[in-house]
Amino acid sequence: EVQLVESGGDLVKPGGSLRLSCAASGFNFSNDWMSWVRQAPGKGLEWVGRIKRKIDGTTDYAAPVKGRFTVSRDDSKNTIYLQMNSLETEDTAVYYCTTDPPGLYWGQGTLVTVSS
Amino acid sequence: DVVMTQSPLSLPVTLGQPASISCRSSQSLVHSDGNTYLNWFQQRPGQSPRRLIYKVSKRDSGVPDRFSGSGSGTDFTLKISRVEAEDVGVYYCMQGTHWLRTFGQGTKVEIQ
Repeated sequence: EVQLVESGGDLVKPGGSLRLSCAASGFNFSNDWMSWVRQAPGKGLEWVGRIKRKIDGTTDYAAPVKGRFTVSRDDSKNTIYLQMNSLETEDTAVYYCTTDPPGLYWGQGTLVTVSS
Repeated sequence: DVVMTQSPLSLPVTLGQPASISCRSSQSLVHSDGNTYLNWFQQRPGQSPRRLIYKVSKRDSGVPDRFSGSGSGTDFTLKISRVEAEDVGVYYCMQGTHWLRTFGQGTKVEIQ
């Protein structure tokens, strides 16, 4: 059974940093591109960024987070990460990990609240 | 970035009646490999998104056959042939053709 389990969500002050994790199991993780998608309270889905396979190496980001967020992966732990810096109140959202392009498998999400 | 525009944004439906959601992209979604990577997702209240349709019209395993997808190029449609109570939620189209993925704004389906 495929599972994606996000963790690390918290309340953080504007300008602060946070790192989210997503632990994957049940599929050949190292062969898949992975992405983060977020959903602000009462709003729609927004693609945040992705990381390709280790062999491809690169990452890509949506404009609102480019330069502030970094996606990384540790294939030995079947885990991807989202390092979020210079957080803004507009970054308040539930953050989901999924494959890229977003498809069949999603986690349950982890809530990030940016507020003073 | 490719802009995905859904309509309507709110769709009151009667149980047993059909429903249709439109999704238009600002650029063609035909990939250089010949495929069109247009997905539809359902998000029930309090749940994670669930993919219903991929590559325009292919239904995922376990998705009832009352759901169907169609379209090409820049115009796509999700149809529910007979709405059931469990279909209440928000539906999103998403393009996976272009480098930066984008979702539509979502269409809220509710029973009237």
